[in-house]
Amino acid sequence: DIQMTQSPSSLSASVGDRVTITCRASQGISNYLAWYQQKPGKVPKLLIYAASTLKSGVPSRFSGSGSGTDFTLTISSLQPEDVATYYCQKYNSAPATFGQGTRLEIK
Amino acid sequence: QLQLQESGPGLVKPSETLSLTCTVSRGSISSSTYYWGWIRQPPGKGLEWIGSIYYTGSTYYNPSLKSRVTISVDTSKNQFSLKLSSVTAADTAVYYCARQSRIDGAPGWFDPWGQGTLVTVSS
Repeated sequence: DIQMTQSPSSLSASVGDRVTITCRASQGISNYLAWYQQKPGKVPKLLIYAASTLKSGVPSRFSGSGSGTDFTLTISSLQPEDVATYYCQKYNSAPATFGQGTRLEIK
Repeated sequence: QLQLQESGPGLVKPSETLSLTCTVSRGSISSSTYYWGWIRQPPGKGLEWIGSIYYTGSTYYNPSLKSRVTISVDTSKNQFSLKLSSVTAADTAVYYCARQSRIDGAPGWFDPWGQGTLVTVSS
């Protein structure tokens, strides 16, 4: 099975910072990758699909890029409401594996 | 706006079968555009895909759980269900149901998700 590895596992950044989270697949998955945000105690929410397509209604400070094995989620200017754990998920084939998550905090 | 709601017992005894149902409202489970999936999250841990079903009954299961999982669909009730047999404490988790996009004929991303239901395995 293809493994999804996120880095870092956690990070702390200041409001206004540019933040980048990486997701690496153990084999190529083309652009079959989604990103989710899970705020503390809340349900995961879809941010991005097809590696770089922003879901309607998601703030434009979020963006995704990558193809093949290496992907990134970028927050261009971190806001206090972005405190959450972020997960990537591959869907090129079953199983629909998630990354282990990246916990983002405000410094 | 499509809504999903999980229901079922919050406490299951070890070795028994966990059974949950997801009711879909404000939309049809018989849509050709979507699969319907189950995901779980142990307390304080990450997300694990359990399996997915198409309205025709076609299923995909996580290989790590496949021997214990059955997912079924009832289009007349706009519901799909999860059964997980021979549970242990390791199966304690919040269980989510979600709509899943159908991409190249296979399950894709999850959106939206139900609110989730905590199932505890304990005697």
